Amino acid sequence: GESVGLHLPTLSVQEGDNSIINCAYSNSASDYFIWYKQESGKGPQFIIDIRSNMDKRQGQRVTVLLNKTVKHLSLQIAATQPGDSAVYFCAVRGGSGGYNKLIFGAGTRLAVHP
Amino acid sequence: KAGVTQTPRYLIKTRGQQVTLSCSPISGHRSVSWYQQTPGQGLQFLFEYFSETQRNKGNFPGRFSGRQFSNSRSEMNVSTLELGDSALYLCASSLTGTAYNEQFFGPGTRLTVL
Repeated sequence: GESVGLHLPTLSVQEGDNSIINCAYSNSASDYFIWYKQESGKGPQFIIDIRSNMDKRQGQRVTVLLNKTVKHLSLQIAATQPGDSAVYFCAVRGGSGGYNKLIFGAGTRLAVHP
Repeated sequence: KAGVTQTPRYLIKTRGQQVTLSCSPISGHRSVSWYQQTPGQGLQFLFEYFSETQRNKGNFPGRFSGRQFSNSRSEMNVSTLELGDSALYLCASSLTGTAYNEQFFGPGTRLTVL
């Protein structure tokens, strides 16, 4: 069945360093991938997305890399700031679940230390 | 533009009771999806409504149901509550709910079942 997994439950980084959060997915038919950020007491907030016909996409301080061969995606945050502290989820859409059914990973907590 | 709103924000119920949660999507959005978030299972898709019709459904028992009104507002109902139903219930809206439409999440309703 479909599943989305994360390699690390908690990631601690120093302010100013780059952060990399990884995610593995199982359904090779998945065609759309999204990273969300969830702060305490709030719903998930869209960060960046990537379609399966791309392998890299950049936003402001964030980059998502997609490796369809090994079914892996990563989120890179440049110059991590204290405001980046949150739980980050990867989500997969498409495949057998239907277009609007998101399958979420377990989440990685990012802790940024001054 | 107002974001997704969910009411109530917090709810305490006892086992066997039923509960109704409400979600108002962003103005103009026609797709509403519901998710359950728990520490153990993470974020799990419940169902999606589009133009008053359930379009996708997750793997939850029939005690979980929903509906959507003509103004796109949505409600979900959980009958015969169990302790395991304690969770954060998140609603997300998108414009049309097609593959590449961003989903915007509300702050969630925190349900506690005693």
